[in-house]
Amino acid sequence: SAVISQKPSRDICQRGTSLTIQCQVDSQVTMMFWYRQQPGQSLTLIATANQGSEATYESGFVIDKFPISRPNLTFSTLTVSNMSPEDSSIYLCSVAGTSGTSNTGELFFGEGSRLTVL
Amino acid sequence: SQELEQSPQSLIVQEGKNLTINCTSSKTLYGLYWYKQKYGEGLIFLMMLQKGGEEKSHEKITAKLDEKKQQSSLHITASQPSHAGIYLCGAGGSARQLTFGSGTQLTVLP
Repeated sequence: SAVISQKPSRDICQRGTSLTIQCQVDSQVTMMFWYRQQPGQSLTLIATANQGSEATYESGFVIDKFPISRPNLTFSTLTVSNMSPEDSSIYLCSVAGTSGTSNTGELFFGEGSRLTVL
Repeated sequence: SQELEQSPQSLIVQEGKNLTINCTSSKTLYGLYWYKQKYGEGLIFLMMLQKGGEEKSHEKITAKLDEKKQQSSLHITASQPSHAGIYLCGAGGSARQLTFGSGTQLTVLP
């Protein structure tokens, strides 16, 4: 299993500011994923963060709004830029479980970062 | 894109009762994942199903995938307050990018 730590766990932000969320994994992983869960909704994939290359964004999400860094195989950051109240959500990072070089099929999630934008 | 529909949206049961949550896909499922989420927290992986007719159990929770691989059910036997939370099914072609259902909010009354 993978242990994933996210910071901050929650924050209250002002409109127009930016916030960076950190995700630390206790093992090296090739791909890390960032999800958003808006109030009362299910999870939506924002992007896949690959080490050594640019993140791959899903439809409806752009790099200018959600820049992602992936400096090494155990760490990633997601920045929510120029925030508006519509960005109030829980943001979760996740990684796929591995055994050796194979995916086990499990997807592990961090505790999430709950952002409230005023 | 794959769409997952969960039912019911919410469920309130008395402690000790059995319950079932369903997840239906508009397409054939090649990997179906069940997660549990406590309010405001991350997701806890429960089980993954891949083969038609597959059934897995963990403690008092059993998940099944039908033969056609378009529907999965999660069954909890003798529910306890610790089972309360949001149950999410997720599906994807790999163990990485998942599409999630809308979730089922489970409340277990002591």
